[in-house]
Amino acid sequence: EDQVTQSPEALRLQEGESSSLNCSYTVSGLRGLFWYRQDPGKGPEFLFTLYSAGEEKEKERLKATLTKKESFLHITAPKPEDSATYLCAVQARNRGGGYNKLIFGAGTRLAVHP
Amino acid sequence: NAGVTQTPKFQVLKTGQSMTLQCAQDMNHNSMYWYRQDPGMGLRLIYYSASEGTTDKGEVPNGYNVSRLNKREFSLRLESAAPSQTSVYFCASSEPGVGGGSEAFFGQGTRLTVV
Repeated sequence: EDQVTQSPEALRLQEGESSSLNCSYTVSGLRGLFWYRQDPGKGPEFLFTLYSAGEEKEKERLKATLTKKESFLHITAPKPEDSATYLCAVQARNRGGGYNKLIFGAGTRLAVHP
Repeated sequence: NAGVTQTPKFQVLKTGQSMTLQCAQDMNHNSMYWYRQDPGMGLRLIYYSASEGTTDKGEVPNGYNVSRLNKREFSLRLESAAPSQTSVYFCASSEPGVGGGSEAFFGQGTRLTVV
């Protein structure tokens, strides 16, 4: 069964304290892995797409990496404004054709304190 | 630069009432989606529309209907609301990227409470 698991559920960091969020997945035929940021009361905001193992993407203090079984979102020297829920999603290939479903993890709630 | 617009933002319904959630996108995307988000369960797909004129069930379609009115608009209807449908509803749209994956862009959400 296609599945996405994110860990930890919640993470508290001090400003400047670097860390990583994990997204483990099992899917038959990966078409893409996506990272989103969600602020309270808002919709998810797209951050990155990764397509193949070994690929990396960077944006400001965030860096996403991908292996065959998991993805990491590395946060370097975080600031309080990085506090949000980070969602991981994988798009699985539909063997029957048609829609390639997008499967979301439950997210990691990140709090960065000054 | 609106992206995906959902209305209303908040709604309280009584059990058994009906309502329609509206969604419109201005990115010329072919695919549109309705998700619900519940605490600890992530986003779950209710219905999707791969292109204008087509709709299909997602993971949790029971109690909902959809209409793809045109390329821009995709509405979600609750015919007889139940307390279990209390949730935050998100509309999204997408278009295949260069690598084949379809990153979705989301609206701000509709917070629905059924009492």
